[in-house]
Amino acid sequence: DAKTTQPPSMDCAEGRAANLPCNHSTISGNEYVYWYRQIHSQGPQYIIHGLKNNETNEMASLIITEDRKSSTLILPHATLRDTAVYYCIVRVAPDMRFGAGTRLTVKP
Amino acid sequence: SAVISQKPSRDICQRGTSLTIQCQVDSQVTMMFWYRQQPGQSLTLIATANQGSEATYESGFVIDKFPISRPNLTFSTLTVSNMSPEDSSIYLCSVAAGWGMNTEAFFGQGTRLTVV
Repeated sequence: DAKTTQPPSMDCAEGRAANLPCNHSTISGNEYVYWYRQIHSQGPQYIIHGLKNNETNEMASLIITEDRKSSTLILPHATLRDTAVYYCIVRVAPDMRFGAGTRLTVKP
Repeated sequence: SAVISQKPSRDICQRGTSLTIQCQVDSQVTMMFWYRQQPGQSLTLIATANQGSEATYESGFVIDKFPISRPNLTFSTLTVSNMSPEDSSIYLCSVAAGWGMNTEAFFGQGTRLTVV
């Protein structure tokens, strides 16, 4: 079972920041938080991951709360091509266990 | 990141037949996994493909239905046997360079299977 809770859907205006929340209140100290997205009919795409500190790469930023019980994925300037299902995963094993994710729709 | 090639990308098969899906990676990887994504659903892990030994299957998946091979560190196959319409899904290969939790996993583009 997934250890995360995400809203089923969100909308975002094109050009604005998209902030996708994830709750993982039962996370253990050595478990990483990963984010993937799946654009329609494609395989999941890795976005970012982190343990305790905030992380940033060319795609997104990951903000993890100090108690590590929740995190937020930030897409700084959403485009129409960012419309996808976003999965937050707490990694407890070498494989990835997917929940239902958040369907993000970026609107013009 | 690893480049993963899955073949075929899609297929339409008759019930009762079998289909073998191939997963080729452009570099040696420690971990290889197979997932199923049923229509409108999230991904479900089928099994971990182990080199040189039998795959490790998740609850609800059995070797007779989903035999898996992994002859080396860059290649694996998943066979969907004795297919029925309920097997219509996207099947995805995933790889990770190492065992550690700090190692990203990457996914192929999937094989879209329709059983008629």
